[in-house]
Amino acid sequence: AQSVTQPDIHITVSEGASLELRCNYSYGATPYLFWYVQSPGQGLQLLLKYFSGDTLVQGIKGFEAEFKRSQSSFNLRKPSVHWSDAAEYFCAVGADNFNKFYFGSGTKLNVKP
Amino acid sequence: DGGITQSPKYLFRKEGQNVTLSCEQNLNHDAMYWYRQDPGQGLRLIYYSQIVNDFQKGDIAEGYSVSREKKESFPLTVTSAQKNPTAFYLCASSNVNTEAFFGQGTRLTVV
Repeated sequence: AQSVTQPDIHITVSEGASLELRCNYSYGATPYLFWYVQSPGQGLQLLLKYFSGDTLVQGIKGFEAEFKRSQSSFNLRKPSVHWSDAAEYFCAVGADNFNKFYFGSGTKLNVKP
Repeated sequence: DGGITQSPKYLFRKEGQNVTLSCEQNLNHDAMYWYRQDPGQGLRLIYYSQIVNDFQKGDIAEGYSVSREKKESFPLTVTSAQKNPTAFYLCASSNVNTEAFFGQGTRLTVV
């Protein structure tokens, strides 16, 4: 069965520090992978996506993610966090020719001044 | 502007009532989805539809119903059979081999 695991429920980093949010997936075929960000009471906004090709993908707001097939991981990174990055982040996998999207349980990011 | 519109933003339901959440998209997407979001549980799929007049149950369809009479519309009814309906509901749409685009959500509260 398809599943997405985000092992960190909450993460706190200082402004200007680097960030890495972890995501592991379970999917039998080639995965289509996504990272979304959600501000409180809002919908989800796409940060970046991986379909094929270069395993290091760049997204909006200075985020990047690396697909590692051997580790079934798609971790999100940012070299220097800004206070405006405080939000909840969701990793997702597209399955069954995009008939379904499976989401992780999310990671809440707090940013200390 | 293209996008997905969910209404209302806030909805209150009395015990035993059915309520309908609206979702409209003007992105010309074939597929539409309804997700339920509870704190700490991520997004769980309620129903999805790939074409007009066809839809499939997701992982938590019990107590919910949908229709897809038009490509741009995918309303969700929360019936009285749903015993714990208080949650944040998100509608999304996509085309084949594209990401899902989300609306701004509807917060449903039982009073």
